[in-house]
Amino acid sequence: DAEITQSPRHKITETGRQVTLACHQTWNHNNMFWYRQDLGHGLRLIHYSYGVQDTNKGEVSDGYSVSRSNTEDLPLTLESAASSQTSVYFCASSEKARGQGITGELFFGEGSRLTVL
Amino acid sequence: SQQGEEDPQALSIQEGENATMNCSYKTSINNLQWYRQNSGRGLVHLILIRSNEREKHSGRLRVTLDTSKKSSSLLITASRAADTASYFCATDGVGGTSYGKLTFGQGTILTVHP
Repeated sequence: DAEITQSPRHKITETGRQVTLACHQTWNHNNMFWYRQDLGHGLRLIHYSYGVQDTNKGEVSDGYSVSRSNTEDLPLTLESAASSQTSVYFCASSEKARGQGITGELFFGEGSRLTVL
Repeated sequence: SQQGEEDPQALSIQEGENATMNCSYKTSINNLQWYRQNSGRGLVHLILIRSNEREKHSGRLRVTLDTSKKSSSLLITASRAADTASYFCATDGVGGTSYGKLTFGQGTILTVHP
């Protein structure tokens, strides 16, 4: 069955370190997204990609970067981790929108809980 | 800023009762979606309603959409303990910058007591 997997599921790191969270999907979806989930803020969009070599900034992109070298993967990198980036990170994917910007359902990974000390 | 806002923030009911959650949003949309999240898990899509639809059903779920009031409701009938989860509404937007993206509300925590 197709799926979307995130790794690691849990990570503890120190302030200033570079961290990469992996996301791999076998749905063959064009669209991939990274969200962070925090109490009181719901899910906020960090970065997203509509296809290979395409990346875009979301609502809370400062301190994060992504790259899309193939359809299956969209790794999220924290260049220099800060305590404010302690959060649960979710990767999601969706089919290419049909028609005029109609957004389909998102398929989510199980999340990566990151703690920055 | 959050496009969708859910109400109530938390809801506690007994098994067999109906649960109603509401969502309000700010700008024009193409569609509105509802998701469920069990504790410690990823979100799972429940139902999608397009802007030209007013009501949609899926099993025990009933979703309504009122674009004039920019609001939606999710009704879960005959709730079960297994329905205990957080429920989120999510909206896309009309226009190029909103293409393919969803904005999520803060969610309603539903607890169904056996």
